[in-house]
Amino acid sequence: KQEVTQIPAALSVPEGENLVLNCSFTDSAIYNLQWFRQDPGKGLTSLLLIQSSQREQTSGRLNASLDKSSGRSTLYIAASQPGDSATYLCAENSGYALNFGKGTSLLVTP
Amino acid sequence: NAGVTQTPKFQVLKTGQSMTLQCAQDMNHEYMSWYRQDPGMGLRLIHYSVGAGITDQGEVPNGYNVSRSTTEDFPLRLLSAAPSQTSVYFCASSYSSSPSTDTQYFGPGTRLTVL
Repeated sequence: KQEVTQIPAALSVPEGENLVLNCSFTDSAIYNLQWFRQDPGKGLTSLLLIQSSQREQTSGRLNASLDKSSGRSTLYIAASQPGDSATYLCAENSGYALNFGKGTSLLVTP
Repeated sequence: NAGVTQTPKFQVLKTGQSMTLQCAQDMNHEYMSWYRQDPGMGLRLIHYSVGAGITDQGEVPNGYNVSRSTTEDFPLRLLSAAPSQTSVYFCASSYSSSPSTDTQYFGPGTRLTVL
C-alpha cells in the first residue's frame, strides 16, 4: 500500500515568513497529488491539484511542486499570515482513492 | 451550488443502534466516496461509487453499507454501531467517474460518537 508521509507534523512560524511543507510517497505510479487545508472542526478544502505529468501548480501565495521520481511534493507558502494557520494535508491518487498523509499543523503567529 | 452537503453534523449513538449518514452533491459528479478520520490514523476510505448503481469497498468497509440509487445521493449506513466507529466521517465527490484526474471536493463532515 502506498505510504504518504508529511514532515514536519507541526510547525510554528512568525507572520511574514516563507515556508515549505513536505510530502513524500513510496510508489511513484501516481495519477495526481492534491494538497488540502483543514481548519479545526471543519472539512477539507482543496488548495492545489498537480497531475502526474506536471511539475508544479500555483495559486496566489501557494506553490506546489511534484517530483515523481523522488516521490516528493512540496507546498510553498509565501509571506505567511495568521489566517494561514490550519492543518495541511497532502494526498496522492493512484486509483479510486486518495491516500492521505497525516498532515502538518501550521501556526502562524502575529 | 451548495457543493457537498452532509447531515447530521453531530450524532451520538448507543452500541448496537443503526443509523444513516446522508451525503448529497449538486454538481452532477459521477464519483462519490466516504472517508473516516481518526486521530493518528489520518483519513481512510470506507466505500466509493463511480456512478449510480455502482459501489465498491475501500480500505475499511466492515460495519458499513452503501447504495447509490441517484447521482446526487450517497448515504452511508451503520448496521450495528460499535465504539470503534466513533470518528469524523467525510463525504467527497469529483466530476469524472475516474477520480484520477479530478479535484475532489469534501463535505463538512459528521462527527459520530458511539457509547
